[in-house]
Amino acid sequence: EVQLVESGGGLVQPGGSLRLTCAASGFTFSNYWMSWVRQAPGKGLEWMTNINEDASEKYIVDSVKGRFTISRDNAKNSLYLQINNLRADDTAVYYCVRGTVTLPGTDYWGQGTLVTVSS
Amino acid sequence: QTVVTQEPSLTVSPGGTVTLTCASNTGAVTSGYFPSWVQQKPGQAPRTLIYSTNNKHSWTPARFSGSLLGGKAALTLSSVQPEDEAEYYCLLTHGNVWVFGGGTKLTVL
Repeated sequence: EVQLVESGGGLVQPGGSLRLTCAASGFTFSNYWMSWVRQAPGKGLEWMTNINEDASEKYIVDSVKGRFTISRDNAKNSLYLQINNLRADDTAVYYCVRGTVTLPGTDYWGQGTLVTVSS
Repeated sequence: QTVVTQEPSLTVSPGGTVTLTCASNTGAVTSGYFPSWVQQKPGQAPRTLIYSTNNKHSWTPARFSGSLLGGKAALTLSSVQPEDEAEYYCLLTHGNVWVFGGGTKLTVL
């Protein structure tokens, strides 16, 4: 069974940093693109960043360039999102999402981890 | 900046048919934007129903179908069930950048 379990969220002060982790299981992690998508409270979905199978390609939304970094450790079946200089508008649930293999798209989503930025 | 537009809300009767659409301010949506449709029910994580225009996952009910319609991506629900009430998001791939639409709140009434 495919599982994506996010962790690392919590309450953090503005200007702080967090590293989110997505633990993957039930599939060969190193064969898949992975992405992070966030959702602010009461708002829609917003794509943040994605990474290819061997981490040689990474793409990120312009609005968070320089503050967000995606990475992965295929040996640990884990995806990461480093978030620096956190701002109040980064408050959101952050979801880990798996890409499809045969055609561009997504399939499995994690349950998300909540990041709250507040003093 | 790419903006993806969806109907903010739609209402459909049980057993009816409804089509949700997804437009891009950059022009006609084509298969090269690999449109996806994501369903989210209150308090739940999203789940992808349709990817690359019209491809379904194993969990996608047969009554859901994706297509291109008049320069837009479209999601059609046939024989709508009460459990289809949810928010539906369109996702387009613009090169290496993904862009979600604002979502359509579908009410089954």
